[in-house]
This record gives sequence, structure tokens and C-alpha cells, in this order.
Amino acid sequence: EIVLTQSPATLSVSPGERVTLSCRASQSISRNLAWYQQKLGQAPRLLFYAASTRATGVPARFSGSGSGTQFSLTISSLQSEDFAIYHCQQYNDWPPKWTFGQGTKVEIK
Amino acid sequence: EVQLVESGGGLVQPGESLRLSCAASGFTFSTYNMNWVRQAPGKGLEWVSYIGSGSSPIYYAESVKGRFTISRDNARNSLFLQMNSLRAEDTALYYCARDNYASGSYSMDYWGQGILVIVSS
Repeated sequence: EIVLTQSPATLSVSPGERVTLSCRASQSISRNLAWYQQKLGQAPRLLFYAASTRATGVPARFSGSGSGTQFSLTISSLQSEDFAIYHCQQYNDWPPKWTFGQGTKVEIK
Repeated sequence: EVQLVESGGGLVQPGESLRLSCAASGFTFSTYNMNWVRQAPGKGLEWVSYIGSGSSPIYYAESVKGRFTISRDNARNSLFLQMNSLRAEDTALYYCARDNYASGSYSMDYWGQGILVIVSS
């Protein structure tokens, strides 16, 4: 099973700051990685797939990068609506044994 | 507007069964692969099961293989998860999620709001 490790577990930031979240895979997954945003009490929302392809409606302040085993999600200037938990997911396996990271919580400092 | 609405959750005792449903609207359900994903209280997301647009192929996570059965009814725009021999560790919020295959990836582009399953004596 491919293990995804997200860091840090919690990030305390102020609005307007630049933040970078990390997701590391236990083995190479090429660019088969997605990022999701989950606000309290809501379903996850797809932000990126193929590591860096922005999903429909995702603001340009969000960017995704990486390949192989190291991936990152960057928010260039954090807005109030961006405080949430961010999950990464790998879909490299077929047949599927897809896995998620444990999540990074972005909270208000 | 794409909508996915889960139902059928509740409180059951260990060893009992439950059947979850997911009603889809706003898209051509019969052309999309679908997934079930769950989230235990305070935990991360866990992929549970996948079903192809025409009811095959079907795949399960090892944690539920042999106990859960995924199915769909394209005429009724509905996805199902039959859960048997439930365990305390199956307690979670269960989401149905649409496959983003049109993008060439197996990410999930739309999710329902989730339905809570609690397994406890």
C-alpha cells in the first residue's frame, strides 16, 4: 500500500500569508495525485488532479506541483475562506488501492 | 447542477447490516464511474469501493472486501453500498463520489454531503 504523509499536521497562519503544504508518497506515483479542500462539516472539494491541473472554479492563488514522491500545494495569499483541512490522494494503483494522506489543517493564527 | 445525496445510514449493532444509497442528478449518471469513500470521526479519508459505469469493474479496499457490496441502477440514477457484518471500525461518514475519469485521472470531482454510520452495541 502506498502511504501518503502530509506535513505539517497543522499550520497556523494569518490571512494574506503564503502557505505551502507537503505530501510525500512512500513510492513513486508519477503525477497521479489529487488535492482536496474540506471545510468543517462539508464534503471534500477537488482542487487539483494530475498534481498540478486546477479543477473547475479553483482560484488562481492555489497552485499544485511535484512528481514522483514529493508534492506540494501552495496558496499564494491566504484568504479567510481558505481555512480548512487539505487532503492529498494518490490514484497510481490499478486495480485501485487508492490512499489519502492524513490531512493538513490550516487554521487562523 | 451535479448533486449526490446519500441516505440509509444510522446506528446498528456489530454484526448487523445496512444498505446505503446515493441518488445522483444533474449529470448522465450511466456514463460515470462511481466511488464510496469514508471518514471515521476525527480521521482522514479512506477509499472504500469503486464501480464502473456499466457495473464493472468493481473493486474494494481490503478492509471491507467480502463484507461490502457496491452496486448501481443506472435506470434510477442510484448507487448503493450493501454493508454486512459491520464492525465498530466501520463507524464513519460515508460519501459517494463521482470519478473524474473524463480528465484522464482517477480523482473524484463531486462528492455528496455524506451519511453517518455508527456501529455500536
